[in-house]
Amino acid sequence: KAGVTQTPRYLIKTRGQQVTLSCSPISGHRSVSWYQQTPGQGLQFLFEYFSETQRNKGNFPGRFSGRQFSNSRSEMNVSTLELGDSALYLCASSSRGPRWETQYFGPGTRLLVL
Amino acid sequence: GESVGLHLPTLSVQEGDNSIINCAYSNSASDYFIWYKQESGKGPQFIIDIRSNMDKRQGQRVTVLLNKTVKHLSLQIAATQPGDSAVYFCAENMGGGSQGNLIFGKGTKLSVKP
Repeated sequence: KAGVTQTPRYLIKTRGQQVTLSCSPISGHRSVSWYQQTPGQGLQFLFEYFSETQRNKGNFPGRFSGRQFSNSRSEMNVSTLELGDSALYLCASSSRGPRWETQYFGPGTRLLVL
Repeated sequence: GESVGLHLPTLSVQEGDNSIINCAYSNSASDYFIWYKQESGKGPQFIIDIRSNMDKRQGQRVTVLLNKTVKHLSLQIAATQPGDSAVYFCAENMGGGSQGNLIFGKGTKLSVKP
């Protein structure tokens, strides 16, 4: 079974631009969560989607948004990029949400904001 | 691969030795804890979990110990192998079953010398 895939793997943007990242969960998984990982803050929860609905949201500004499609694929969008948005963005999928051992992470998208 | 932590504490062990990685958690009400392993260029991988009604849980070559009195969690890896080299971090569930209630530690980098 294919794992969680994320595209693109690397991205360079400039301040003020916007970016959209994509995540394809494991087949059959309906929950997709997004995380931001930085050296200073570690891994922080952004939001979780389940069956196209946002089920939970972390403490991030409104510039960070996401959505989930009917095939469970998810996108996250960051508008008006800031230098501090440079990070590794990870998504994770699970079969039916909060069962931690079934949460599988993708390889991440490395975003660099210049 | 991506560097997930530029200023992480590092534990260096000889191949075949046992490793102990420690984690202090923040909330005495946390009721569920997880250890993750993150190799360079990959997303975090679930290793083992433990609930607050237990003080020890064993997996394959790994043992997690929970000391609620001092809010301390440890991961013991027996007969450490080069493939165990990675960043390890703990996560605590602040309450409830939602993904958003997971708080992740910054991590410890384990380096195994052959």
